[in-house]
Amino acid sequence: DTEVTQTPKHLVMGMTNKKSLKCEQHMGHRAMYWYKQKAKKPPELMFVYSYEKLSINESVPSRFSPECPNSSLLNLHLHALQPEDSALYLCASSLVAGVGTGELFFGEGSRLTVL
Amino acid sequence: GENVEQHPSTLSVQEGDSAVIKCTYSDSASNYFPWYKQELGKGPQLIIDIRSNVGEKKDQRIAVTLNKTAKHFSLHITETQPEDSAVYFCAASKGGSGNTPLVFGKGTRLSVIA
Repeated sequence: DTEVTQTPKHLVMGMTNKKSLKCEQHMGHRAMYWYKQKAKKPPELMFVYSYEKLSINESVPSRFSPECPNSSLLNLHLHALQPEDSALYLCASSLVAGVGTGELFFGEGSRLTVL
Repeated sequence: GENVEQHPSTLSVQEGDSAVIKCTYSDSASNYFPWYKQELGKGPQLIIDIRSNVGEKKDQRIAVTLNKTAKHFSLHITETQPEDSAVYFCAASKGGSGNTPLVFGKGTRLSVIA
């Protein structure tokens, strides 16, 4: 079983809606990540939080707004999305704050459909 | 920045045969090379990784080899089983000072035919 929990598993929203994706881990990891994955493609990095501070934003549109309330929780707030934003959104965590230095633990993802 | 090429994009093998997936990377400073397996409806899961100070690593039926000079690394699965069917992603990154996020290859869909 994955130790990174994402909710909801499925989300359907209209282009004018505001919704949030949530991610939780209790492994004591200090780095947390959001990835976007389209069908038959690799995960694409969106954001990295290191010690609850945003350390990487891969030029993601402002309609995606991340938040890290504490070391165990990561949110992704969604507003005014486009149909092309429909994808699987994966949360991941790693033990150390420095990216690229160890295993990423992924959640099972939240499948988002924008109508 | 780093660029990771992965081949083949699809691979079908008979149960019990071996499977090999190859990746090349462009940044000679990359020093961490993990392989992830993604089953249908699940997130990717690390199956093995190798760092640049090691040429080969093995874990039961899975092995990874790294050739730093040629900048390529490969995943070898022996005695394949139907449960090995999944999408496999290689990745590369640079750890330590000036670390960089993982860059993934495009993936290989492995089908093991019983």
